[in-house]
Amino acid sequence: SAVISQKPSRDICQRGTSLTIQCQVDSQVTMMFWYRQQPGQSLTLIATANQGSEATYESGFVIDKFPISRPNLTFSTLTVSNMSPEDSSIYLCSVLTGTFNADIQYFGAGTRLSVL
Amino acid sequence: GQQLNQSPQSMFIQEGEDVSMNCTSSSIFNTWLWYKQDPGEGPVLLIALYKAGELTSNGRLTAQFGITRKDSFLNISASIPSDVGIYFCAGQYNTDKLIFGTGTRLQVFP
Repeated sequence: SAVISQKPSRDICQRGTSLTIQCQVDSQVTMMFWYRQQPGQSLTLIATANQGSEATYESGFVIDKFPISRPNLTFSTLTVSNMSPEDSSIYLCSVLTGTFNADIQYFGAGTRLSVL
Repeated sequence: GQQLNQSPQSMFIQEGEDVSMNCTSSSIFNTWLWYKQDPGEGPVLLIALYKAGELTSNGRLTAQFGITRKDSFLNISASIPSDVGIYFCAGQYNTDKLIFGTGTRLQVFP
């Protein structure tokens, strides 16, 4: 497994502002992902953070709204831009790391965002 | 985005009872995973299944990878209060994207 640290753990933000969420892993990993979990809902993949290149976004998510950085194999950031109350969610970072059998995704504790 | 159908949506059971939940998909997967999410935490991996028909246990938890590769179930035996939480199945076709189920919210009463 991997130890994943996300910061901040929670924040309350004003409409129109932006928040950058950090994800730090204790070992080098090839693939990192960002998910959104809206209140009472399941997890939805926002994008795959690629080291050294632009992130790969899922349908319904765009770079202007959710810019992502991946400067190295242990760190990534997700920015939620020009926030509105609809952006209030839990944002989760995950990493793909190997086990004896196959690669598994492990998750950070998440960032709880409330937008007023 | 795509999600897997997970049932039941919620369960309210007495401590000591067994629990069963399942997940179905219209697509096949190579890997099925079961996660548990406690309040204020991220999902934690419980069991990973890698081939059709596989039955795997982790303590009081047992999960199976369906023969058709389109479904999976999770059983919890002799439930205890700390089993409370939300259980998610997830399917994986390649070694990258996970498709998550809609979740089963479990409440255990003493």
